[in-house]
Formats: sequence, C-alpha cells, structure tokens
Amino acid sequence: QKEVEQDPGPLSVPEGAIVSLNCTYSNSAFQYFMWYRQYSRKGPELLMYTYSSGNKEDGRFTAQVDKSSKYISLFIRDSQPSDSATYLCAMPGTSYGKLTFGQGTILTVHP
Amino acid sequence: EPEVTQTPSHQVTQMGQEVILRCVPISNHLYFYWYRQILGQKVEFLVSFYNNEISEKSEIFDDQFSVERPDGSNFTLKIRSTKLEDSAMYFCASSVRGRIYEQYFGPGTRLTVT
Repeated sequence: QKEVEQDPGPLSVPEGAIVSLNCTYSNSAFQYFMWYRQYSRKGPELLMYTYSSGNKEDGRFTAQVDKSSKYISLFIRDSQPSDSATYLCAMPGTSYGKLTFGQGTILTVHP
Repeated sequence: EPEVTQTPSHQVTQMGQEVILRCVPISNHLYFYWYRQILGQKVEFLVSFYNNEISEKSEIFDDQFSVERPDGSNFTLKIRSTKLEDSAMYFCASSVRGRIYEQYFGPGTRLTVT
C-alpha cells in the first residue's frame, strides 16, 4: 500500500465553485499534514499545514484532517482561475524533515 | 519576501558527466533538502542536511550523489556520473529550527541527460 495516495484528476470546475481535494495515507504515525500548490514548471509552494486532527482555515482555504479514517482534505471556496495548479499533499514521516508527497491533483478553474 | 533560489534553471549534460546543482536557501534557515520530480511523477525526497551533515537520505541518493555547503550561503547537489534516468526537476528546500516541516522550495533546476 502506498504511503500517500491522491487522485491525480484532472479536476475542472467553473469559477466560484467550491473545490474539494483529498488524500489518504497509510502511516498512522503521521502527525503533520501539509498542502502545497505547484504551478506548471515551478517549485511547490507551501499553502498551509495542520497538526493532528481537526480543521484549519486560511482565507478561502480550509484544511481538514480525519485521523481515524487516515483522510485529509483541502477545500477552496470561491475558486478563481488563478487557483489553477497542481495541489500536493505531503506528510513528514521522520524527525529529519523528509516529506512524503502525494501524486498531486491537477485543478483547472475556468472563467 | 525571502525565497530559495536555484541555478541554473536548466542544465543539459551528456551521460557520464558530472553536474553540480546550486541552491541558496533562505538566510536564517538551518535545515536543507533536495527533492526531485521526474516528469509526471511524485516529488521524491533525496536528502536532508543539517549542521554540515546528512541527516537522512533516501535509497535514490546513492554513491553517485553528494551534497555540500561550501560556504555560508550555498548548498549544492553533485551527481558524479549522470545517467539518463537522472533527468528530472531537482528542487532545493529549506526550513527553520523548530519548524522543519514547513519547507520552502526553490523554483527548481531542470536536468536533462542525453
């Protein structure tokens, strides 16, 4: 079983839609859950992270963790064409900073 | 806003040649990383580096790879004898003490091995 799984999409939504992006993971030791955004041919950009379970909100973005189901989500409200990118979930599995990434979900928000 | 920089943006090399990829991490960061992303695949961890030592490395990071912090600002990745399968985007990242998982990535170096 892969450590971190993410549906690659692609996902296409109209501007203003609510977007839901998801990852599942297998390692119950994961405590931090990161979301990165990656534009084409650019480096990953840290969007937000959560520790343990629960929700965290930052502007139009909400990160949610369900440790009992080993499932994390990123919600984007009022999506904009500028949100079009690949969204990567990532989790650190060791104490030395190694991040394990999901495959990434390609999102397109069309006007 | 401070950012991680990487040079060159694109490197083309022949199989068997040595390449050095360079990174300038964010100035107050103490933890440094290299990741790679083969086209269409996941971002993969290569190595983490702290206090002038490798903290952790993946199975990808074999004897052909090495890292160095030659001075107070640069962090380099050397591939001694490149193979075709080394063609990928290489990303450098850095983080601060106490928040090592909040890693800030550079724009990447696209390495093409012919």
